[in-house]
Amino acid sequence: QKEVEQDPGPLSVPEGAIVSLNCTYSNSAFQYFMWYRQYSRKGPELLMYTYSSGNKEDGRFTAQVDKSSKYISLFIRDSQPSDSATYLCAARDSGGYQKVTFGTGTKLQVIP
Amino acid sequence: EAEVAQSPRYKITEKSQAVAFWCDPISGHATLYWYRQILGQGPELLVQFQDESVVDDSQLPKDRFSAERLKGVDSTLKIQPAELGDSAMYLCASSARLGGQETQYFGPGTRLLVL
Repeated sequence: QKEVEQDPGPLSVPEGAIVSLNCTYSNSAFQYFMWYRQYSRKGPELLMYTYSSGNKEDGRFTAQVDKSSKYISLFIRDSQPSDSATYLCAARDSGGYQKVTFGTGTKLQVIP
Repeated sequence: EAEVAQSPRYKITEKSQAVAFWCDPISGHATLYWYRQILGQGPELLVQFQDESVVDDSQLPKDRFSAERLKGVDSTLKIQPAELGDSAMYLCASSARLGGQETQYFGPGTRLLVL
């Protein structure tokens, strides 16, 4: 079993829709949770970074962590065609060497 | 804006040949990572450096892969001999602590195809 599980999709939504992307994790030691966006043939770029449980909002993006159920979510409001990419969730513990464990990524397509 | 540089961007090689990838992290970033990303999967850590020292290479296939960061700046990842299963994207990242959080910045990657 992978430590971070993510539905690979693909997920297709019309422009303007609210998108919900989800991950589960199994390692109780994970304290920091991240969402990366990866465009085709590019490296991942950090989108959201949260610590422990709670919500964090940045523009059209909201990251949510529920440590009690080991569930991570990313919501995208008013989705745009430019949001079409693969979204990777990731997590790490508070250990000294900052090792990050990634999910497999969910491919999102926003249709104009 | 400072970026992680990687070269080459694409590499095609035949199995049993040697290949090498180069990474130049963002200036001042002490931590450097090499990841392998197979198509349709998330990145998996191969090796992590803190300055010039390896701090995690538990997932590096050491019989064929080697990595170095001699002066604690740029880094090279080598595969010898390459196998068909090594076809993947090889990503380099570097990190710094900003506002209390450790943020990794990824390069564009090197896409390797082994024939």
